[in-house]
Amino acid sequence: LAKTTQPISMDSYEGQEVNITCSHNNIATNDYITWYQQFPSQGPRFIIQGYKTKVTNEVASLFIPADRKSSTLSLPRVSLSDTAVYYCLVGDWKTSYDKVIFGPGTSLSVIP
Amino acid sequence: SQTIHQWPATLVQPVGSPLSLECTVEGTSNPNLYWYRQAAGRGLQLLFYSVGIGQISSEVPQNLSASRPQDRQFILSSKKLLLSDSGFYLCAWGDRNGLNTEAFFGQGTRLTVV
Repeated sequence: LAKTTQPISMDSYEGQEVNITCSHNNIATNDYITWYQQFPSQGPRFIIQGYKTKVTNEVASLFIPADRKSSTLSLPRVSLSDTAVYYCLVGDWKTSYDKVIFGPGTSLSVIP
Repeated sequence: SQTIHQWPATLVQPVGSPLSLECTVEGTSNPNLYWYRQAAGRGLQLLFYSVGIGQISSEVPQNLSASRPQDRQFILSSKKLLLSDSGFYLCAWGDRNGLNTEAFFGQGTRLTVV
């Protein structure tokens, strides 16, 4: 099973760029890397997904090195509303859904 | 567009009472469906998943059960709740036949067993 390791918590000031790195040394060839955001008492919200290199959307960027053993979620210019828990997952929802593991995530606190 | 509905949002039940949580998905067909549980301050634990009507796989032995009576309906049940069943229950769906490779979550049900 692909397991991920990410920092338990991070603090950042408003307006700064935040980078959260996730390690996944045992990632399989068919695995995607997916990041979710969760606010208290809400379901996780999909942020971004990638397979290799760099992916960017309207809310975040995902950097994946060539060996795919880690990935970095980059949140540009965070605001107070970005305070949440961020989960890094590796796996293939289509064929190996039972092996997509949620770890404890990274609790990001944005400070005014 | 696809949407997922989960209800109720909160529930307080006495120990030994039955449970029924319902989840429905709209805007897609033949989805993979999942039930997760999240304990306070913890990650999500996969409880059940289903790839089709009547097809249920369980990840964790417990006094909970799941059923999928229709293609886009997923139900989590218990005959007798335990205190340890308290938690945040999340339903999710995955697009098995389309281009999406991620899962999409409902808003969750906060269950407190007293």
